[in-house]
Amino acid sequence: EAGVAQSPRYKIIEKRQSVAFWCNPISGHATLYWYQQILGQGPKLLIQFQNNGVVDDSQLPKDRFSAERLKGVDSTLKIQPAKLEDSAVYLCASSLAQGFGTEAFFGQGTRLTVV
Amino acid sequence: KQEVTQIPAALSVPEGENLVLNCSFTDSAIYNLQWFRQDPGKGLTSLLLIQSSQREQTSGRLNASLDKSSGRSTLYIAASQPGDSATYLCAVRDNAGNMLTFGGGTRLMVKP
Repeated sequence: EAGVAQSPRYKIIEKRQSVAFWCNPISGHATLYWYQQILGQGPKLLIQFQNNGVVDDSQLPKDRFSAERLKGVDSTLKIQPAKLEDSAVYLCASSLAQGFGTEAFFGQGTRLTVV
Repeated sequence: KQEVTQIPAALSVPEGENLVLNCSFTDSAIYNLQWFRQDPGKGLTSLLLIQSSQREQTSGRLNASLDKSSGRSTLYIAASQPGDSATYLCAVRDNAGNMLTFGGGTRLMVKP
């Protein structure tokens, strides 16, 4: 079974530039998460989708971050404009369904460096 | 708001030792708890998933316990090996089955 796919693996941009990350979840997984992991810290949830609807985006900095999940499959996360403090690993995860014993599976992540 | 704490933040042990990693959470109304392993520069690998109705789960040399009422989980690693060196993260899922909240992780180094 293919895992969660993310691209690119690495990205270096200058502050005030824009960047987009892509995630393809495990086939059939209805729930998709985007997490931000700053070096030395645990992952922090940015947004959670159930199919193509948003379940939780309370910690998403909406003035610069946006995410979409068209057709309830792939998802993109965009940052515009980027700040130095956005340097982090962005992790995408998926799970079969909301709740009930569902295990979350993570992709390899995209490491973003803002200079 | 759920808060998850992991102690210790870092641990260095000689090969062969049995060790315990701790995870505590402030809101006991959880649906399940998941332990992950993260190698440097890599994503998260799921190790064990414990449902709120369960007390423990085992996989090979790993054993995870859950005491929901006291807001605690432990990950026990038997006969540690250098290949166990990684960061171990615990995460809890809320009672609606929604968001996973992570602890800060424990960085483990097992010395040969």
